[in-house]
Amino acid sequence: GAVVSQHPSWVICKSGTSVKIECRSLDFQATTMFWYRQFPKQSLMLMATSNEGSKATYEQGVEKDKFLINHASLTLSTLTVTSAHPEDSSFYICSASAGLAGVVLDTQYFGPGTRLTVL
Amino acid sequence: AQTVTQSQPEMSVQEAETVTLSCTYDTSESDYYLFWYKQPPSRQMILVIRQEAYKQQNATENRFSVNFQKAAKSFSLKISDSQLGDAAMYFCAYRSGRRDMRFGAGTRLTVKP
Repeated sequence: GAVVSQHPSWVICKSGTSVKIECRSLDFQATTMFWYRQFPKQSLMLMATSNEGSKATYEQGVEKDKFLINHASLTLSTLTVTSAHPEDSSFYICSASAGLAGVVLDTQYFGPGTRLTVL
Repeated sequence: AQTVTQSQPEMSVQEAETVTLSCTYDTSESDYYLFWYKQPPSRQMILVIRQEAYKQQNATENRFSVNFQKAAKSFSLKISDSQLGDAAMYFCAYRSGRRDMRFGAGTRLTVKP
């Protein structure tokens, strides 16, 4: 099946630093990738949608200058949390959706998530 | 806007018994997809089952089946012969076209031995 990886699985950083999280589709080409944030015991909150080669579309209330998303290839998207603060501490999950035969088009495949802790 | 509602924050089932998780959604679209995802303590989202709205036949995956009522906009998940490994958060999700997926608030399922 379709596999999506995320790196790192967890990261601790100091307030004011930037953190980059990578999301890779390992065995399919992801035309669209999504970034979610999940608070404890809550559902997934969509942050942004990115299509390969174009700018990401951010959800209302999500600061695009703080959460930089790059989708440079069909297998890689990155989320950079700039000048991180303790309130940015959360669980970040990416998902990928394919556009080629052999993979269900309308299903999103999720990465294992990244736990970010900002001290 | 499309919304997904899961009215059961928590459910409990005895091992080997059957449990049904409820989900309703609101949409004006005619073509869409519905999903159930499972999120165990590892927090990895795992696709359980998928249903295309244009199909009348309910999807089935081994012990997992759905009751899809399009007119009522209802999409419940039935887990038969529950196992300890089924314990997790279950999210109902809706997607239309290539747009993002909308999730319900989730139902925490406990399986008692």
